[in-house]
Amino acid sequence: DQQVKQNSPSLSVQEGRISILNCDYTNSMFDYFLWYKKYPAEGPTFLISISSIKDKNEDGRFTVFLNKSAKHLSLHIVPSQPGDSAVYFCAASAGSGGGADGLTFGKGTHLIIQP
Amino acid sequence: NAGVMQNPRHLVRRRGQEARLRCSPMKGHSHVYWYRQLPEEGLKFMVYLQKENIIDESGMPKERFSAEFPKEGPSILRIQQVVRGDSAAYFCASSPTGINGYTFGSGTRLTVV
Repeated sequence: DQQVKQNSPSLSVQEGRISILNCDYTNSMFDYFLWYKKYPAEGPTFLISISSIKDKNEDGRFTVFLNKSAKHLSLHIVPSQPGDSAVYFCAASAGSGGGADGLTFGKGTHLIIQP
Repeated sequence: NAGVMQNPRHLVRRRGQEARLRCSPMKGHSHVYWYRQLPEEGLKFMVYLQKENIIDESGMPKERFSAEFPKEGPSILRIQQVVRGDSAAYFCASSPTGINGYTFGSGTRLTVV
């Protein structure tokens, strides 16, 4: 039973364009969401997060949007750069970001930025 | 300030042997989390520890797996009598308090032959 779903295993985007990565969740208890980026043979690196009390959070080229009614969130990267090529994981928590529980991860989307 | 250090990076064990994976959290971090990533899968939460205490082990298999985070030294994930299905990447993360400070190590890739 997958509570966090990333339905696109891979996504190819041209350099300079917008990359949009999508994530859906089923557990209505989730109230804190994070995006991680992962290069091969390395651990995931935290990118950006959003609390359920917000619908948007922006940090430089990265913006996360949350639609609670649809149980959907998305990560926008603009403009996309070659160094953005990596696997992106969506993760969720029911602990309000307090660290008291583990994260539930999606299976990841492999983003490929083409020159 | 060194990041989360995991060793070994690669570990090969024969079926039935024991695997010990080590994780040294970032300086000042007293919360440690272990995750497992099977091929083509996302990371799955295993256990959450603070110094000398297991806080949440709801993701740990009931048998053969154990974890500790002693007062001194690294956190250890121990897998007894390994089987081929234990082959995976095991990631450790540490945090000072909250999820926003979650820093992952580079992982240990366990291969059971």
